[in-house]
Amino acid sequence: NAGVTQTPKFRILKIGQSMTLQCTQDMNHNYMYWYRQDPGMGLKLIYYSVGAGITDKGEVPNGYNVSRSTTEDFPLRLELAAPSQTSVYFCASSYPVESVEYFGPGTRLLVL
Amino acid sequence: SQKIEQNSEALNIQEGKTATLTCNYTNYSPAYLQWYRQDPGRGPVFLLLIRENEKEKRKERLKVTFDTTLKQSLFHITASQPADSATYLCALDMEAGNTGKLIFGQGTTLQVKP
Repeated sequence: NAGVTQTPKFRILKIGQSMTLQCTQDMNHNYMYWYRQDPGMGLKLIYYSVGAGITDKGEVPNGYNVSRSTTEDFPLRLELAAPSQTSVYFCASSYPVESVEYFGPGTRLLVL
Repeated sequence: SQKIEQNSEALNIQEGKTATLTCNYTNYSPAYLQWYRQDPGRGPVFLLLIRENEKEKRKERLKVTFDTTLKQSLFHITASQPADSATYLCALDMEAGNTGKLIFGQGTTLQVKP
């Protein structure tokens, strides 16, 4: 099992550009999450999903969108990149019970 | 809403000593609390989960306690090694009722010196 995979590993965006961060898990987990982590800070939940077709906002959803068409994939979309979105983005997945989360390796995003 | 506080100052200890990290939370007591390890440039990795009706949980050199009266969890690493150097995060449910949405502390960085 590959676990949770994320692409790309690193990306530089110009202000106003858009991009999609990809996340795939092969553990058949129902729950999936997107977090951002700023330097020296904890993880902030952006969006989460409890199953295909169901998504909901977390703590910091502004400027982002998600979709969940399959159990495996949970892409995160940035429509108009802003410098405040410079961060490391982590995708995670879990079973519903007790929600032990399995994290991907992260995507480092720099918006200039 | 639930808030978590971890000591933001780095913890520096000598190899072989016991490291103790603290996690405090406000508001309601969660059904369970989790601890994760994060190495630089990597995603967090799950270590231990302790339920509200458990006082203590052990796994090899790791021990976690959970005091719902104090609203606090302690994370201990005994016989610490330089390889234990990392940032340790505690996490619990964001809302009452076991929603599955976790809130994470900012983490405490542990440095074990040989």
